[in-house]
Amino acid sequence: AQKVTQAQTEISVVEKEDVTLDCVYETRDTTYYLFWYKQPPSGELVFLIRRNSFDEQNEISGRYSWNFQKSTSSFNFTITASQVVDSAVYFCALSEAGYSSASKIIFGSGTRLSIRP
Amino acid sequence: EAQVTQNPRYLITVTGKKLTVTCSQNMNHEYMSWYRQDPGLGLRQIYYSMNVEVTDKGDVPEGYKVSRKEKRNFPLILESPSPNQTSLYFCASSLSKGLAGGYEQFFGPGTRLTVL
Repeated sequence: AQKVTQAQTEISVVEKEDVTLDCVYETRDTTYYLFWYKQPPSGELVFLIRRNSFDEQNEISGRYSWNFQKSTSSFNFTITASQVVDSAVYFCALSEAGYSSASKIIFGSGTRLSIRP
Repeated sequence: EAQVTQNPRYLITVTGKKLTVTCSQNMNHEYMSWYRQDPGLGLRQIYYSMNVEVTDKGDVPEGYKVSRKEKRNFPLILESPSPNQTSLYFCASSLSKGLAGGYEQFFGPGTRLTVL
């Protein structure tokens, strides 16, 4: 069965510190997709990144980077030089591809990140 | 503007009074889905729809109904709401989640429902 675990419920760091949000997933499928979404205090859900199971290249986008490791079933998210605007709840999600499996999308419970000035 | 809209945004109701939360998208997306968000539990999928007239249960479907008669609309129906359905509800849409794989979802602004 699918499962996404975000063990860090809350993280608080001082501005400009680097911070890593962990995401561990479980799936029996060989083809799947992983996502990160951001939910700022205003409440909307914003897509950040998608990664498919065949692409283990790490990705960097400005201050954000993602480390996908199939060997440990992890898809961690790092913010470098954090800023107050990064304060939000971050969700990791898993989606299995193909009609043979349920087309469900499973979200982790989220990590609340607070950046202190 | 590409968007997912939900109505109402806020609703307070009483136990047993049927209600419908509407969801509409203007991006011609095949896949639509409803989630509820509760503290400490993240987002849990209630129902999803792969296309018109094709719907299926997510992880927490009990007490909810959906329909997909048109591609753009995916209403969530609570036939007899109960207090444990008090939650924040999100509708989302994406391109087909079929064999082509998963696409990012576009979320509506959310509907905060309180059932007394």
